[in-house]
Amino acid sequence: DIVMTQSPLSLAVTPGEPASISCRSSQSLRYSNGYNFFGWYLQKPGKSPQLLISLGSIRASGVPDRFSGTESGTDFTLKISRVEAEDVGIYYCMQVLQIPVTFGQGTRLEIK
Amino acid sequence: EVQMVESGGALVQPGGSLKLSCVASGFIFSAYDIHWVRQASGKGLEWVARIRDTTGNYATAYAESVKGRLTVSRDDSQSVSYLQMNSLRSEDTAVYYCVRRISDASDVFDFWGRGTLVSVSS
Repeated sequence: DIVMTQSPLSLAVTPGEPASISCRSSQSLRYSNGYNFFGWYLQKPGKSPQLLISLGSIRASGVPDRFSGTESGTDFTLKISRVEAEDVGIYYCMQVLQIPVTFGQGTRLEIK
Repeated sequence: EVQMVESGGALVQPGGSLKLSCVASGFIFSAYDIHWVRQASGKGLEWVARIRDTTGNYATAYAESVKGRLTVSRDDSQSVSYLQMNSLRSEDTAVYYCVRRISDASDVFDFWGRGTLVSVSS
């Protein structure tokens, strides 16, 4: 199984400040079409996960442009340029290249 | 508007059975693979099962932890997916989400249902 390792597991950020979450996969997630089959999701309290970034770096429809995803080999990073109160929740990375689909442990973001 | 609504969650005794449903609307259901993902209370996300669309011959796949006990199916005429759960164990207690992925594998999971709670306890 592909192992997804996130860091940090929690972070507290002052509104308006940036935040960064990392995820490393145990093997390449690159498909034959050149895309990484990787996504970032945010699970707000009491809600189901929502897609933020797909295929490594493509912002999903309706996602604010303060969210961005970068990729380098098996390392993936989610950046929030200026954290807002509505960004609280748990962020998950996920690979869908292979079955079983696997997720990172989750990163809890809180507001200071 | 895309919607995926799970139902059928309940309190069931260990060894019991349950059948979850996921009714979809607002998109061409038959063009999507359907996955089931679960989340125990306060825990992370765990992939459970997948059923491909007709182009994938409705192929199914399961997590090792549920293989032989859970069965995923679909009825494209009704835009619904089912998760038949047998021989339930306490560790199956979780919120179960149905999730879609376009069948041509050009994207990741792009929409999740709200989930339905399964509790396995005596």
